Amino acid sequence: EVQLLESGGGLVQPGGSLRLSCVVSGFTFSNYAMNWVRQAPGKRLEWVSGISDASDRTYYADSVKGRFTISRDNLKNTVFLQMNSLRAEDTAVYYCAKSLNWEFYFDSWGQGTLVTVSS
Amino acid sequence: DVVMTQSPDSLAVSLGERATINCKSSRNLLYSSNNKDYLAWYQQKAGQPPKLLIYWASTRESGVPDRFSGSGSGTDFTLTINNLQAEDVAVYYCQHYYFPPPFTFGQGTKLEIK
Repeated sequence: EVQLLESGGGLVQPGGSLRLSCVVSGFTFSNYAMNWVRQAPGKRLEWVSGISDASDRTYYADSVKGRFTISRDNLKNTVFLQMNSLRAEDTAVYYCAKSLNWEFYFDSWGQGTLVTVSS
Repeated sequence: DVVMTQSPDSLAVSLGERATINCKSSRNLLYSSNNKDYLAWYQQKAGQPPKLLIYWASTRESGVPDRFSGSGSGTDFTLTINNLQAEDVAVYYCQHYYFPPPFTFGQGTKLEIK
């Protein structure tokens, strides 16, 4: 059974940092791209970032470029999202999601972790 | 960025009837080299993560009931749910995955039972 489990969310002040993690099981992690997708309260889904299977390609939404960094550890079956210079508009549930390297539809999702940016 | 626009924003359909949700892309999602449309549909029930229903505009994900079907090409797409069941109450999203990123979603269509 494919499982994705996010962690690391919480309350942080504007300008602060958080590091999200997503541990996966049930598939060969090193064969798939991984992504972060977020959803602010009552809003549409927003793709945030993606990373290829071998970490040789990373992609970012303009809204987070230069502030967020995606990375992965294929030995630990884990993908990370380092979030710096956080803003109120980054408040959302953050999901990790699995995709193919060149076909970024998301066939498995975690349950999400809530990030709240507020003073 | 590619803008994905869904219609309607909300929809109420009787049990056993058909629900139709539309999605329009601001760019052509048909890639001529492989003749595939880079369009997916998701179902999100309250308090849950999204679930993939359809990819390549019309390919049903494994385990998805055949009541769900996708159609369309280029810039205009449709998700059809036949024989609506109570468990189909959800918000439905379309998403493009045509390179380059960002891979944007529609605003969502809320489906309820009439």
